[in-house]
Amino acid sequence: DAGITQSPRHKVTETGTPVTLRCHQTENHRYMYWYRQDPGHGLRLIHYSYGVKDTDKGEVSDGYSVSRSKTEDFLLTLESATSSQTSVYFCAIRPTSLGNEQFFGPGTRLTVL
Amino acid sequence: QKEVEQDPGPLSVPEGAIVSLNCTYSNSAFQYFMWYRQYSRKGPELLMYTYSSGNKEDGRFTAQVDKSSKYISLFIRDSQPSDSATYLCAMNAGNQFYFGTGTSLTVIP
Repeated sequence: DAGITQSPRHKVTETGTPVTLRCHQTENHRYMYWYRQDPGHGLRLIHYSYGVKDTDKGEVSDGYSVSRSKTEDFLLTLESATSSQTSVYFCAIRPTSLGNEQFFGPGTRLTVL
Repeated sequence: QKEVEQDPGPLSVPEGAIVSLNCTYSNSAFQYFMWYRQYSRKGPELLMYTYSSGNKEDGRFTAQVDKSSKYISLFIRDSQPSDSATYLCAMNAGNQFYFGTGTSLTVIP
């Protein structure tokens, strides 16, 4: 699992509530990513980070914000969850010292009712 | 048009068969090409990674890239029931990565 953990692993919430997902890595890699995976769409990039306090938007960033105050943690926040944000969320790291590959966490299954 | 196109399948083959999985892409800036395997309710795991056109072999797996046709393939020889999973192609230019939708493969004993 490349030293990546995600929490929570499962969450059910209601429309309009804020939700924060956490990704934690143990190896101090610079690049971290958040994706969502939906049937028929595959994995789509939400946001990524290239260092502490350095983040950028991905393909489907609307409705999401991120923060990275420490190298090891990358947080994804849904300010006001909607049913369209029901998905499986994956965090990934990119150890550039090895090449251009990404390694994924176990995922968080989020249901917004 | 999506950046990366992948036939979702499902694909069902008998044990021992050769499997061919394919993706096409539209962005000529893509430089690195990857294949991931994803078991049900798990995160994707990296299978193979290649940079240039040509073939790269790792055990029963061969990745092939044809940049002139914007076409990549993954071949699995002597397929096993344990190969049953969803296979995702991925590629990137710079810091952003783009994934295919995945092909679901079942290998029947």
